[in-house]
Amino acid sequence: DGGITQSPKYLFRKEGQNVTLSCEQNLNHDAMYWYRQDPGQGLRLIYYSQIVNDFQKGDIAEGYSVSREKKESFPLTVTSAQKNPTAFYLCASTSGDRYTGELFFGEGSRLTVL
Amino acid sequence: LAKTTQPISMDSYEGQEVNITCSHNNIATNDYITWYQQFPSQGPRFIIQGYKTKVTNEVASLFIPADRKSSTLSLPRVSLSDTAVYYCLVGDINTGTASKLTFGTGTRLQVTL
Repeated sequence: DGGITQSPKYLFRKEGQNVTLSCEQNLNHDAMYWYRQDPGQGLRLIYYSQIVNDFQKGDIAEGYSVSREKKESFPLTVTSAQKNPTAFYLCASTSGDRYTGELFFGEGSRLTVL
Repeated sequence: LAKTTQPISMDSYEGQEVNITCSHNNIATNDYITWYQQFPSQGPRFIIQGYKTKVTNEVASLFIPADRKSSTLSLPRVSLSDTAVYYCLVGDINTGTASKLTFGTGTRLQVTL
């Protein structure tokens, strides 16, 4: 089945540690996105990428880093510089097709900093 | 980038029609309007997308006036399972362009008996 897989689903981290959230898609989509969602709030864009080895900062990129070494993979690293990393993280992708350009989302990764 | 404004919350009774309006005054020529539904602890899922006039699918209708500065998602005969957060997303989804797709705050719909 085609889709987006995020892992881990739940992650606990001690303050000062870096963690990497995985996002893999087998939809052959070019564009991929990372969003952060806090309780009761909307989605905020962290980073997005159009093609391999290219990515752009979103609205809240500080304290995060990404890589796009393969078309199907777009991992997000939450660094120790991120002041309030506890949140629900969502990865998405889209083909960018003019007529069916919907975003496909993964099931999310919930990060808790202890 | 077109900023969107939606009501924070809405309440409805089961069986009623619900209309959620999104304002996007500075929408660009190449922007499409897409609506998503999100349940707690899940990723949003696509409901409907349009560019102008009216679009209808098996779950919803989308009304877009000629000036495209707003759009209305219409959910016919809602049920309890339609209780969710609904997001309006405006952005350029043209091939070859990974545009900065930014969501608004969403509308929390509560359906009761």
